[in-house]
Amino acid sequence: RKEVEQDPGPFNVPEGATVAFNCTYSNSASQSFFWYRQDCRKEPKLLMSVYSSGNEDGRFTAQLNRASQYISLLIRDSKLSDSATYLCAVKPSGGYNKLIFGAGTRLAVHP
Amino acid sequence: DGGITQSPKYLFRKEGQNVTLSCEQNLNHDAMYWYRQDPGQGLRLIYYSQIVNDFQKGDIAEGYSVSREKKESFPLTVTSAQKNPTAFYLCASSTSGEGGMNGYTFGSGTRLTVV
Repeated sequence: RKEVEQDPGPFNVPEGATVAFNCTYSNSASQSFFWYRQDCRKEPKLLMSVYSSGNEDGRFTAQLNRASQYISLLIRDSKLSDSATYLCAVKPSGGYNKLIFGAGTRLAVHP
Repeated sequence: DGGITQSPKYLFRKEGQNVTLSCEQNLNHDAMYWYRQDPGQGLRLIYYSQIVNDFQKGDIAEGYSVSREKKESFPLTVTSAQKNPTAFYLCASSTSGEGGMNGYTFGSGTRLTVV
């Protein structure tokens, strides 16, 4: 089993739709969680950290479910510009600040 | 503006040749990382460094080498021992410290192709 797993998609949604992605992780002691956005042939860029109580940034909401060991990303009112690959990243327990990334979920928003 | 710079953007390597990818940051970050990205496989950790003059192997270190002589710089050498080096290479940096972290800042990547 991979340490961090994501549904690769693609998720094809119309503009204005709400879409949600999940990311499961295997290490129950994982400490920090992130969502990154990666455009085609570009570097990943930090979209948002994921906090235990859940957090929101505009149209984006991130949540953590420690009991079931997954994090989620909800995008409301999808825009064409949201089309990208969304990577989740998890910091396992331990002193090293290294992240383990999922393979990414591709989102395609169409008119 | 602070950031992390990778060069070159594109690199072509002949069989049996060693090549070095540059990574420089002016964010005053202690920790630096090298990842490799292949289509459909996500990012895999090659090497990382928490502090100057110290580095550790990641999950796929074979065929690669690094150095960390300066805080700002973390070059990656892809040696001839790396049999399948064609990939997108990403350098990242972060603050280091125990407990939580603020995530990585990535460079724009180097796309390496074997010819």
